[in-house]
Amino acid sequence: AQSVTQLGSHVSVSEGALVLLRCNYSSSVPPYLFWYVQYPNQGLQLLLKYTSAATLVKGINGFEAEFKKSETSFHLTKPSAHMSDAAEYFCAVSATNEKLTFGTGTRLTIIP
Amino acid sequence: GAGVSQTPSNKVTEKGKYVELRCDPISGHTALYWYRQSLGQGPEFLIYFQGTGAADDSGLPNDRFFAVRPEGSVSTLKIQRTERGDSAVYLCASSRIAGVNEQFFGPGTRLTVL
Repeated sequence: AQSVTQLGSHVSVSEGALVLLRCNYSSSVPPYLFWYVQYPNQGLQLLLKYTSAATLVKGINGFEAEFKKSETSFHLTKPSAHMSDAAEYFCAVSATNEKLTFGTGTRLTIIP
Repeated sequence: GAGVSQTPSNKVTEKGKYVELRCDPISGHTALYWYRQSLGQGPEFLIYFQGTGAADDSGLPNDRFFAVRPEGSVSTLKIQRTERGDSAVYLCASSRIAGVNEQFFGPGTRLTVL
């Protein structure tokens, strides 16, 4: 079985500061890992995904995440926050890249 | 091209009623997924189709929930004898090939059971 824990339901950062959203996973098999972003009244949009090709994954909008097997983590980072990054972010895990198991989400607020 | 569309965008019903929620996937996508997102939670998997058949329905909470995809395109999620606990946003996603390609999500249908 797979599960995801997102530490921090709310994160606030100043514009221009580093964004760090934490995700730890549990999986009985080598996992597929994903980060999705959800803007108000919009569907989930894929930011990036890990499929075992490379441990550092670069996504859209300047985000990246690093797969660390020893720590069972897949934290999302962005060097410099922008006002448009304010949204809800979900980490997800899958054993087969089919059925996704999501975390409870982290709401990111950007302080001007 | 058009993305995944879901209708209606909002549905309010009374406890005990029957509802149908519709999902139109991206043209050419063979896999279709249903998820449910309760307030303050992440999406929860319900069922997915590869073509016309349900490949995995392990997330359906009970036999009041049923989904079909008769022609391998549009899917309908059917909920019988609705309960207040069914209130949530129901999300649909599609992918070109299950297990291979990215899932694209629709905007969801917000179901409220009074």
